[in-house]
Amino acid sequence: AQTVTQSQPEMSVQEAETVTLSCTYDTSESDYYLFWYKQPPSRQMILVIRQEAYKQQNATENRFSVNFQKAAKSFSLKISDSQLGDAAMYFCAYRRYGGTSYGKLTFGQGTILTVHP
Amino acid sequence: EAQVTQNPRYLITVTGKKLTVTCSQNMNHEYMSWYRQDPGLGLRQIYYSMNVEVTDKGDVPEGYKVSRKEKRNFPLILESPSPNQTSLYFCASTKSDGANYGYTFGSGTRLTVV
Repeated sequence: AQTVTQSQPEMSVQEAETVTLSCTYDTSESDYYLFWYKQPPSRQMILVIRQEAYKQQNATENRFSVNFQKAAKSFSLKISDSQLGDAAMYFCAYRRYGGTSYGKLTFGQGTILTVHP
Repeated sequence: EAQVTQNPRYLITVTGKKLTVTCSQNMNHEYMSWYRQDPGLGLRQIYYSMNVEVTDKGDVPEGYKVSRKEKRNFPLILESPSPNQTSLYFCASTKSDGANYGYTFGSGTRLTVV
């Protein structure tokens, strides 16, 4: 079974600075997808960024980028120029490619990010 | 607007009193799923459905039931709720033909069982 681990329960950053959230995962699959979700106090789950395992290039979405290390099974999220609105719980998630459980998302424990003005 | 509608947003109930949390999506998605979120555990899958009349257990199905009689609806049923089912619940849906579509989540149901 796949597992996802976020070893940082809490992180903090100063506004306008850069912060990196860590995520590792365990799988025997070669094709899969990885995601970062943001959950603000409103509880809404918001997709931040996604990465296909077959792509070597790291995904980027504006101020958000990932460092995907397939061999190390690591998928960290970098937030540049942090803003107060970035404060939230962040979840790393894994989804396998195909198979009967293709739709299942396996989540990490979450990291609470605090942004200081 | 494409969305997953989940109700109620908050619910307090007593042990043993049957309840249903509703979930409806307007995107014609085949795949729907229920998750529960607990501190330190992230979100865990309860049940999922790959299409109408096709449902299966996730990682934590004990104490829950689901049904999928229509493509758009996927209710979560707690026939005899217990305090250990106090949690934040999410319904989510996605298309069946590719992960690039991502998931759409409902706004969550905060359930308290006393």
